[in-house]
Amino acid sequence: GQQLNQSPQSMFIQEGEDVSMNCTSSSIFNTWLWYKQDPGEGPVLLIALYKAGELTSNGRLTAQFGITRKDSFLNISASIPSDVGIYFCAGPNFNKFYFGSGTKLNVKP
Amino acid sequence: DAEITQSPRHKITETGRQVTLACHQTWNHNNMFWYRQDLGHGLRLIHYSYGVQDTNKGEVSDGYSVSRSNTEDLPLTLESAASSQTSVYFCASSTGTRGSEQYFGPGTRLTVT
Repeated sequence: GQQLNQSPQSMFIQEGEDVSMNCTSSSIFNTWLWYKQDPGEGPVLLIALYKAGELTSNGRLTAQFGITRKDSFLNISASIPSDVGIYFCAGPNFNKFYFGSGTKLNVKP
Repeated sequence: DAEITQSPRHKITETGRQVTLACHQTWNHNNMFWYRQDLGHGLRLIHYSYGVQDTNKGEVSDGYSVSRSNTEDLPLTLESAASSQTSVYFCASSTGTRGSEQYFGPGTRLTVT
């Protein structure tokens, strides 16, 4: 079936650094979503993208909907310790919902 | 504020017992979903519902059932719990709009001994 390929799988960065992660698919998506999951909690929606080329920010987070509609990027600027967690991309397609495998972010103070 | 809740948050049960996990949302969303999350597998869809009296199987539905008698609730039942069903279970909901984002509950950690 369809898969969302997310990379990198994990990142170890220093506080204050910028972070970039991406998600690709072999199929076209009309919506791209980015979630963050803290340990012991459910995923929380960070950003939703609805149009190819769209660039949307939420505080220090910026996400882009790729022009081909087969990819999306999430950037975090000036990372802080509370950014630690797992970031998932997700996309609905024909009434099904697909998730990437997640990027685990570790931030060293 | 509207929200989605799950209960219990933690459950330990024995093999062969029937277990029901509750999910309740006050968003008035038409769509509700159940996922399980395991290391190495990410989030996998168990069952979903697009409205009252509607239920559909997801990719890992064997051994699970759901029923939707009202908009707010979608309980997940494990008919005869197995150790392979030890996992973290998440409920989610979304509006009826195609392509709309899903909102997740806090999860239930189930251990089958």
